[in-house]
Amino acid sequence: QQQVKQSPQSLIVQKGGISIINCAYENTAFDYFPWYQQFPGKGPALLIAIRPDVSEKKEGRFTISFNKSAKQFSLHIMDSQPGDSATYFCAASMRLTGGGNKLTFGTGTQLKVEL
Amino acid sequence: DSGVTQTPKHLITATGQRVTLRCSPRSGDLSVYWYQQSLDQGLQFLIHYYNGEERAKGNILERFSAQQFPDLHSELNLSSLELGDSALYFCASSGGQGGNSPLHFGNGTRLTVT
Repeated sequence: QQQVKQSPQSLIVQKGGISIINCAYENTAFDYFPWYQQFPGKGPALLIAIRPDVSEKKEGRFTISFNKSAKQFSLHIMDSQPGDSATYFCAASMRLTGGGNKLTFGTGTQLKVEL
Repeated sequence: DSGVTQTPKHLITATGQRVTLRCSPRSGDLSVYWYQQSLDQGLQFLIHYYNGEERAKGNILERFSAQQFPDLHSELNLSSLELGDSALYFCASSGGQGGNSPLHFGNGTRLTVT
């Protein structure tokens, strides 16, 4: 119930194409859904995030679509560029008793954008 | 640059040994989180500190411990090391206690246990 399932594990997209990464969760206590981008040798960096009361959020070429009833959310990268080649993690956050916070990550998607 | 500093970048040690990983959060951030990243387990939440107090524990082994000091830097202590502890250890900080506060990650410490 604590898991966040992410697919696909890897993705190859042509330059200019659309990259789509999907995630699903079970626990309705999750209340914040960020996406992180990680380059080799670096830590994950926040890309874009959404709350469950919003169905879509767009920032530049990156869009999150959120389906609360299906407990699914996805990242769309429009006009994918070689510089977007990285590992992408979806995540889900919940507050814990005692005031703590836990961010649960998906297993990651390695995106490669080819010329 | 996230503003979160982790030292050392690399650490190679032998089984049974003890190491300390250090994290300096972004200026003004009161929360520090530790995560372990390995190929088979992905990014696993270990522990969360807020303003010096432990707030949440995740999949942290009893051989591991952490603390956050009055200047808000944090240390993760790993003892009786095993081969399976080899991983990337990330520290992240945020301004609030969590929830919708974005986490800012450092570049990690790569631990190799031989």
